[in-house]
Amino acid sequence: DTAVSQTPKYLVTQMGNDKSIKCEQNLGHDTMYWYKQDSKKFLKIMFSYNNKELIINETVPNRFSPKSPDKAHLNLHINSLELGDSAVYFCASSQGRRSLNEQFFGPGTRLTVL
Amino acid sequence: DQQVKQNSPSLSVQEGRISILNCDYTNSMFDYFLWYKKYPAEGPTFLISISSIKDKNEDGRFTVFLNKSAKHLSLHIVPSQPGDSAVYFCAASAYWSGGTSYGKLTFGQGTILTVHP
Repeated sequence: DTAVSQTPKYLVTQMGNDKSIKCEQNLGHDTMYWYKQDSKKFLKIMFSYNNKELIINETVPNRFSPKSPDKAHLNLHINSLELGDSAVYFCASSQGRRSLNEQFFGPGTRLTVL
Repeated sequence: DQQVKQNSPSLSVQEGRISILNCDYTNSMFDYFLWYKKYPAEGPTFLISISSIKDKNEDGRFTVFLNKSAKHLSLHIVPSQPGDSAVYFCAASAYWSGGTSYGKLTFGQGTILTVHP
């Protein structure tokens, strides 16, 4: 039974489109994250929600909007997709919002913008 | 500005020998460090961590060493096994000193470890 799942696994789309990536965790955790792994392979935090409250919001274009309908879900909506948005996006969750709390990652969504 | 760097993109080691993976950081506020391991088509999984009040933490075959003055940490795997072949990410956070950023992890770009039988 997958602990942190993401859909879709692969997403190929045209520039200018709007797309969403969904994330669900069945671990009962209260904190969820979105990371972006760029072309240089660095994993960078984008957003974090704790009990549906936004607690980390890095310098990310406002075309990216996270939505947390409940503690088990954190979706990422991207408007007006650009070539530079091509990356692997990872969702993660933890029990607690501190870096001491182990983060469990999903398998990633590879987004390709043509 | 990348505050955590893993300058070796890859490392190849013979089974049974020691693997040493290195990580450097620039932010002196970082006080908690972690290593994550990632297999292809999977997300990273937590491996081991160390607080800045220690200089060594050991868990079975895995040992992390922290040199605060050099802003350097390393992960030692002894003995290395073929199943250890994966990408290893170093991560850091300003847990005690970072105020409300205590949940934020800054990752390096990873090192691909290949252990040959």
